Amino acid sequence: NAGVMQNPRHLVRRRGQEARLRCSPMKGHSHVYWYRQLPEEGLKFMVYLQKENIIDESGMPKERFSAEFPKEGPSILRIQQVVRGDSAAYFCASSQPSGGGYGYTFGSGTRLTVV
Amino acid sequence: AQKVTQAQTEISVVEKEDVTLDCVYETRDTTYYLFWYKQPPSGELVFLIRRNSFDEQNEISGRYSWNFQKSTSSFNFTITASQVVDSAVYFCALSAGTSYGKLTFGQGTILTVHP
Repeated sequence: NAGVMQNPRHLVRRRGQEARLRCSPMKGHSHVYWYRQLPEEGLKFMVYLQKENIIDESGMPKERFSAEFPKEGPSILRIQQVVRGDSAAYFCASSQPSGGGYGYTFGSGTRLTVV
Repeated sequence: AQKVTQAQTEISVVEKEDVTLDCVYETRDTTYYLFWYKQPPSGELVFLIRRNSFDEQNEISGRYSWNFQKSTSSFNFTITASQVVDSAVYFCALSAGTSYGKLTFGQGTILTVHP
């Protein structure tokens, strides 16, 4: 009965490289959310996805960031041409439909460090 | 728009003291959910409680209790007889209405419990 699995736990990238963060939702959950936690700050919503569909991407930076949740496989948060300001913890959460009513399960996060 | 305010940035107490963490929220929706999460030094997010807007009953779970007051838009969290293991960052969060699929987090309160 695995929870939300995120990998890698830690990721180091040089400026200009691409970062790919993976999230496998909890079994039975069809909705995935990505949040970013900058150092010493709260979590900020980035994007909300269902399988093959982006529901709400209002929190995604306009450039370099993209997310997908394919029919098969994990959800991917992709950051192209990373910069130092992208260094943060990225959390994935999953839920059944209408997360508020059922609650959200968070993964352990991916700590991205850009050097 | 949704907003969550945790006015206390840091709280420091001595073991066995009681401590209350404040949370004030803003939403125009009549149906919403409130959450508390704990983030220990290891970094993961630990779910503590979910409360819907129609249930104003206070809740107690061991040393933890929550006071939900719609009249003041507050959802405060009290730890009784605090322990060193309670040291963590605590986040209050809101999921509501048209933004139902995502959580809006407060900035978090850093709680340090000294032996």
